[in-house]
Amino acid sequence: NAGVTQTPKFQVLKTGQSMTLQCAQDMNHNSMYWYRQDPGMGLRLIYYSASEGTTDKGEVPNGYNVSRLNKREFSLRLESAAPSQTSVYFCASSEVGEQYFGPGTRLTVT
Amino acid sequence: GDSVTQMEGPVTLSEEAFLTINCTYTATGYPSLFWYVQYPGEGLQLLLKATKADDKGSNKGFEATYRKETTSFHLEKGSVQVSDSAVYFCALRNAGSARQLTFGSGTQLTVLP
Repeated sequence: NAGVTQTPKFQVLKTGQSMTLQCAQDMNHNSMYWYRQDPGMGLRLIYYSASEGTTDKGEVPNGYNVSRLNKREFSLRLESAAPSQTSVYFCASSEVGEQYFGPGTRLTVT
Repeated sequence: GDSVTQMEGPVTLSEEAFLTINCTYTATGYPSLFWYVQYPGEGLQLLLKATKADDKGSNKGFEATYRKETTSFHLEKGSVQVSDSAVYFCALRNAGSARQLTFGSGTQLTVLP
């Protein structure tokens, strides 16, 4: 089992560019999450999906959109990147217990 | 809303020293409490958890006890190793929050040989 995988690992964007971060899990979990990690602020929830076909906003959703493509995949899209979105992005999945995290995507917006 | 407060780092210890990382929380109801660890360049991994008051979570020599009266979940280890160097996050999950986690800001631990 690969667990939770994320692509790409690193990305540099210019202000105003768009991109999609991909996440997939092979544990048959219903719930999936996107977080961002900034220095001194822990992880903050951007969006989550409690089950296939549903998505909900988390603490910091502005500037992002998500798609729960199927049970395995949950993507995060930045339509018009801003320097404030420079961060490390983590995807996670869970069933009834712990959340399992991917290795992260380090995004820099210049 | 729910919140988690961790002691600020960074924390630097010598090998075999005793470790305590403080964590307190604010939440309604009866949350579950977690400690996650993040090694350099990796995602978060669950270290231990406790789901009700007075439960003690333990793993790899680390322990934490869920103290409802002091709303705390302090992480301890009797003898740290260089390989314990990482960032440690305290987190809570409230029953009514669709299984979302609320994280503390993280504590960087460096253990010197």
